[in-house]
Amino acid sequence: GNSVTQMEGPVTLSEEAFLTINCTYTATGYPSLFWYVQYPGEGLQLLLKATKADDKGSNKGFEATYRKETTSFHLEKGSVQVSDSAVYFCALTLSTSGTYKYIFGTGTRLKVLA
Amino acid sequence: GAVVSQHPSWVICKSGTSVKIECRSLDFQATTMFWYRQFPKQSLMLMATSNEGSKATYEQGVEKDKFLINHASLTLSTLTVTSAHPEDSSFYICSASVRSGGENTIYFGEGSWLTVV
Repeated sequence: GNSVTQMEGPVTLSEEAFLTINCTYTATGYPSLFWYVQYPGEGLQLLLKATKADDKGSNKGFEATYRKETTSFHLEKGSVQVSDSAVYFCALTLSTSGTYKYIFGTGTRLKVLA
Repeated sequence: GAVVSQHPSWVICKSGTSVKIECRSLDFQATTMFWYRQFPKQSLMLMATSNEGSKATYEQGVEKDKFLINHASLTLSTLTVTSAHPEDSSFYICSASVRSGGENTIYFGEGSWLTVV
């Protein structure tokens, strides 16, 4: 079946530290991959996406590369800020599904300390 | 940008009662809305796909009679948890799909915490 596995949190970092949140997937077909972020008290917001192998999604200093050979989509940021504290969800949707069903990972809570 | 709003954000209800959660697209029309639930430390699980003017499509294992979904207009979908029990306590989140520029974009609501006591 289709699934997304992401590292369990919480992840606690100091400001300006390097961030990596691992995400791997299993899927039949050719999924599109996403990272969503949920700030406290808010809904999920799209952070970045990649629709095919070797694509790199980037936004707000975050980036992730669609690696088909390792079935991974790890999220990285070179220097985190306190304002990046949130829960991050890795997700996939299959372009052949027709109904845009998303399959999510469990979410990883990031806490950045000043 | 597009906004999806859920109400209420928090609700506590007694076992055996029903509770309704609303999902509204505030500045766009959404022909398709989705309902998810999330247990602690688990993934968001899709419960059902709600299409305006037609019956919802439920995922395998989701009880249609327990989780009533109504999508009466292009801006509102409701989830009613009937005869709620403590095991229904969870985080429920909706999303709405809008097509723009040949692409479908999904926007999520803030989520609703349900506690059944």
